[in-house]
Amino acid sequence: KQEVTQIPAALSVPEGENLVLNCSFTDSAIYNLQWFRQDPGKGLTSLLLIQSSQREQTSGRLNASLDKSSGRSTLYIAASQPGDSATYLCAVRAYSGAGSYQLTFGKGTKLSVIP
Amino acid sequence: ETGVTQSPTHLIKTRGQQVTLRCSSQSGHNTVSWYQQALGQGPQFIFQYYREEENGRGNFPPRFSGLQFPNYSSELNVNALELDDSALYLCASSLAGRDTEAFFGQGTRLTVV
Repeated sequence: KQEVTQIPAALSVPEGENLVLNCSFTDSAIYNLQWFRQDPGKGLTSLLLIQSSQREQTSGRLNASLDKSSGRSTLYIAASQPGDSATYLCAVRAYSGAGSYQLTFGKGTKLSVIP
Repeated sequence: ETGVTQSPTHLIKTRGQQVTLRCSSQSGHNTVSWYQQALGQGPQFIFQYYREEENGRGNFPPRFSGLQFPNYSSELNVNALELDDSALYLCASSLAGRDTEAFFGQGTRLTVV
């Protein structure tokens, strides 16, 4: 059974700092990994998608890496801003049988960026 | 291009009642999945629909059921509601295939009292 762990559970940083969020998964038989942002009580916004054959993806101040063999991904946020405050979730996509594929999520890292 | 939309945004039901949640998938997406997110937890996979048939299910009892319509929109039905069913229910749409990207709606907050 796939398990996804995110460390730390919560993180508070001053504005302008660079930070790294970690995600690990137990089964390397994945097709892709997505990082999402979730604001309180809201849905999920997809930030970055990394296919299993890729090592990293970048979007603006965000950079995500994937080491599939070791079951790890990191999300790097440069020059953090108060607007980055949210919960960040990682999810891995794997085959779940009968032609379907499902995402398995971690519990998230709650980020607070202090002005 | 429209994104994934869910209705209603909030709902309060009494234990034992039944509820129907709705989801309109992103334009062109033919696969819909539903997830349950309890407070402080990551979303948990409920089931997936493709071509109007359920083709994958997580560890949820049969009182959780769904439908997908020819326009790819979907419903999640929950019978005999329990207090533990209180959660944020998320719908995700994607293209069929093993390495596609999932796009989520804003969710429906269900409270069972």
